[in-house]
Amino acid sequence: DSGVTQTPKHLITATGQRVTLRCSPRSGDLSVYWYQQSLDQGLQFLIQYYNGEERAKGNILERFSAQQFPDLHSELNLSSLELGDSALYFCASSAGHWGTEAFFGQGTRLTVV
Amino acid sequence: SQQGEEDPQALSIQEGENATMNCSYKTSINNLQWYRQNSGRGLVHLILIRSNEREKHSGRLRVTLDTSKKSSSLLITASRAADTASYFCATDTGDSNYQLIWGAGTKLIIKP
Repeated sequence: DSGVTQTPKHLITATGQRVTLRCSPRSGDLSVYWYQQSLDQGLQFLIQYYNGEERAKGNILERFSAQQFPDLHSELNLSSLELGDSALYFCASSAGHWGTEAFFGQGTRLTVV
Repeated sequence: SQQGEEDPQALSIQEGENATMNCSYKTSINNLQWYRQNSGRGLVHLILIRSNEREKHSGRLRVTLDTSKKSSSLLITASRAADTASYFCATDTGDSNYQLIWGAGTKLIIKP
């Protein structure tokens, strides 16, 4: 158990809909990262938060947004969903200091039909 | 953007053989990390090697780092069926974002 909790584990929704994925980082970790992994693909970095502030943006679509709350949990909002958004979405957390490892949640499998 | 590039993209070997995967990166780093991902699961941290280290061991894992060539290798000795997974390298550039930059991964299959 990595200590990172993602909910829900599975999500099936229709095109055009909006969903929210939730992540609770490991206790004490200040950095939260969101990643997208399509079938048999590598990890695509979406966005990073550190202690409530956005720190870095990757290949995140304008239809996607995220935030980190004062209690450090984070939410990833995906709107106007398309079939191509079907993927595994991972959240990871780290202490936020150099030289620390990232701990991954088990992911949310999103299927857009 | 992806900094690390693993090769090979896929590797299939017999159980008991050694498996070697390589990772190359582009910019200077603070450390390099290797992770394993079993199919459809979250990534699990395997080993971290700092930029001033050249080699590190953990059980059957051996990682080397050559900062002059901007490359790292992960060796798994005496492979087992349970080692079947995808392996990713990630670099920590040491910038103020504390961000890991990921490679595309090597898919390792251990045949019984």
